[in-house]
Amino acid sequence: AQSVAQPEDQVNVAEGNPLTVKCTYSVSGNPYLFWYVQYPNRGLQFLLKYITGDNLVKGSYGFEAEFNKSQTSFHLKKPSALVSDSALYFCAVRPLNAGNNRKLIWGLGTSLAVNP
Amino acid sequence: DGGITQSPKYLFRKEGQNVTLSCEQNLNHDAMYWYRQDPGQGLRLIYYSQIVNDFQKGDIAEGYSVSREKKESFPLTVTSAQKNPTAFYLCASSKPLLAGRTDTQYFGPGTRLTVL
Repeated sequence: AQSVAQPEDQVNVAEGNPLTVKCTYSVSGNPYLFWYVQYPNRGLQFLLKYITGDNLVKGSYGFEAEFNKSQTSFHLKKPSALVSDSALYFCAVRPLNAGNNRKLIWGLGTSLAVNP
Repeated sequence: DGGITQSPKYLFRKEGQNVTLSCEQNLNHDAMYWYRQDPGQGLRLIYYSQIVNDFQKGDIAEGYSVSREKKESFPLTVTSAQKNPTAFYLCASSKPLLAGRTDTQYFGPGTRLTVL
């Protein structure tokens, strides 16, 4: 079965330190990969996506993600965390063999807490 | 949250009542989606629509119904058949699917439904 795993329910990091939120996937082919962020009681905001090309993708708010095909991973990173980055982060995958149904496979989310 | 609006932000329903959640977008997107979010369970797809007057069941469609009479609107009705309707409901939309496009989904601010 196709799946997306975010192995850490929660990540804690000190402000100013680098942060990593992990995502691995199990789908056939070369999928499209996405990261979203959700602040409390809000909708999801799109951060970045990987389609093809350079394995390092840059997105909104200083975030970037590294695609690793051999490890089937798409970890979200930021060189210097801010307290305002504290939120829930979701990884999502769109298998390219999904036909025309446009369905995404979602991870369960990782709660990021940045401590001042 | 872009050009997607959901109303109301908070909704209270008595058991046995149907209730309709509104989702409107002005992004000229063809596809629209409804998700349900529960703590620790990530996002689960309820229904999606790729074009006006057409929609498909997602993973948890039982107890829900939708319509897509206009491109801009995709209302969700939570019926009395839904046994555990208390949740946060998110609407999303995406651009038309053309060759090579990634079909990024953009989300509304959500509606929190509570059954009393």
